[in-house]
Amino acid sequence: DTGVSQDPRHKITKRGQNVTFRCDPISEHNRLYWYRQTLGQGPEFLTYFQNEAQLEKSRLLSDRFSAERPKGSFSTLEIQRTEQGDSAMYLCASSLALADYNEKLFFGSGTQLSVL
Amino acid sequence: KQEVTQIPAALSVPEGENLVLNCSFTDSAIYNLQWFRQDPGKGLTSLLLIQSSQREQTSGRLNASLDKSSGRSTLYIAASQPGDSATYLCAVGWYGGSQGNLIFGKGTKLSVKP
Repeated sequence: DTGVSQDPRHKITKRGQNVTFRCDPISEHNRLYWYRQTLGQGPEFLTYFQNEAQLEKSRLLSDRFSAERPKGSFSTLEIQRTEQGDSAMYLCASSLALADYNEKLFFGSGTQLSVL
Repeated sequence: KQEVTQIPAALSVPEGENLVLNCSFTDSAIYNLQWFRQDPGKGLTSLLLIQSSQREQTSGRLNASLDKSSGRSTLYIAASQPGDSATYLCAVGWYGGSQGNLIFGKGTKLSVKP
């Protein structure tokens, strides 16, 4: 499978616990994005990396959230001290950066987080 | 601020019908507009990407148009099939945001009845 893969597909946790999600992008893609989607809404941007550098973080990304992309390959998104409002689908996407901005994003199947 | 609106929120049609989904955006300073498909509980699949200098893009039974000056895009689906049932999302790449920060609408949930 050469698409974007995310692990786990589903995660149920109790409030206050820490969780970590992993994303493996398409191998030749140098950009990696994290989005969050709640029921009935479109995805909302969280952060993105070009290679190993985190270039932008949304104001949605509170200090409980941290993302890394060591060596510019896979990425992890960690949520500390989870809250019920963190329940959502966390989507990862990757792309090959183009100078004209017109790159297609390829999304993974997402990780569905439920915080009890 | 950029806002993307999709109308209708839901649509149910009989198989074989041609249909149009609408997307509008408030700031015309976009570099592209993309249409995605999302099946329940799944990620997004890119359908069409229209660059800001283009008026339309076609792929099979799908045709997307872009009118940047009026802030509108339409996705036309010809001869709809039950397999087209999904949520269709419109997203704009906007010069007011970062290159990876697509602004999405809430989607149109399409149901095609056999």
